[in-house]
Amino acid sequence: GAGVSQSPRYKVAKRGQDVALRCDPISGHVSLFWYQQALGQGPEFLTYFQNEAQLDKSGLPSDRFFAERPEGSVSTLKIQRTQQEDSAVYLCASSLDPGSLGEQFFGPGTRLTVL
Amino acid sequence: GENVEQHPSTLSVQEGDSAVIKCTYSDSASNYFPWYKQELGKRPQLIIDIRSNVGEKKDQRIAVTLNKTAKHFSLHITETQPEDSAVYFCAARKSSGDKLTFGTGTRLAVRP
Repeated sequence: GAGVSQSPRYKVAKRGQDVALRCDPISGHVSLFWYQQALGQGPEFLTYFQNEAQLDKSGLPSDRFFAERPEGSVSTLKIQRTQQEDSAVYLCASSLDPGSLGEQFFGPGTRLTVL
Repeated sequence: GENVEQHPSTLSVQEGDSAVIKCTYSDSASNYFPWYKQELGKRPQLIIDIRSNVGEKKDQRIAVTLNKTAKHFSLHITETQPEDSAVYFCAARKSSGDKLTFGTGTRLAVRP
């Protein structure tokens, strides 16, 4: 069956540009997470949605980062005025619902390179 | 917040030998501990997980042990094969809707 998909898979941006990263979770999955994975590091939490509600955005590194999930399915992570330190792989994960076994299924990630 | 430490950062074993990766966590409220395998350029994939109400779980060649008192858990891979070569991440979580806090990863190389 279809897993979590993300687009684009690769994005190169010039410093100062805005970017938008898309996540399509597994159909019916209530919970959606965004993580940032720097080279050689483990994923680090950015933000969490339950349906369309953003319940936790404590991991967003600055107000340049914004995420939304307006209809409770597809989510977009937007980064404004990109900086070189934003270069990383951005991973999206979804899980069925908060009361389930809770396994998080990851997408393939978007590799963002800021020049 | 939760802090997860993982050791070693790199591990090289001969094919057929066992590999052990260890993690510690700081928040005693954490109750779910998954292990993910990530091949180069690929997505993290869950290989095994354990909840705080059990001390050990096994699935074929892989097993995980949990010591709640000491707040540490370990991944054991027996009879390693070259296809086990990857980066392995441990993680901890407090509730099924909460975020995962990951360790820094262990790069496992299995020598043929």
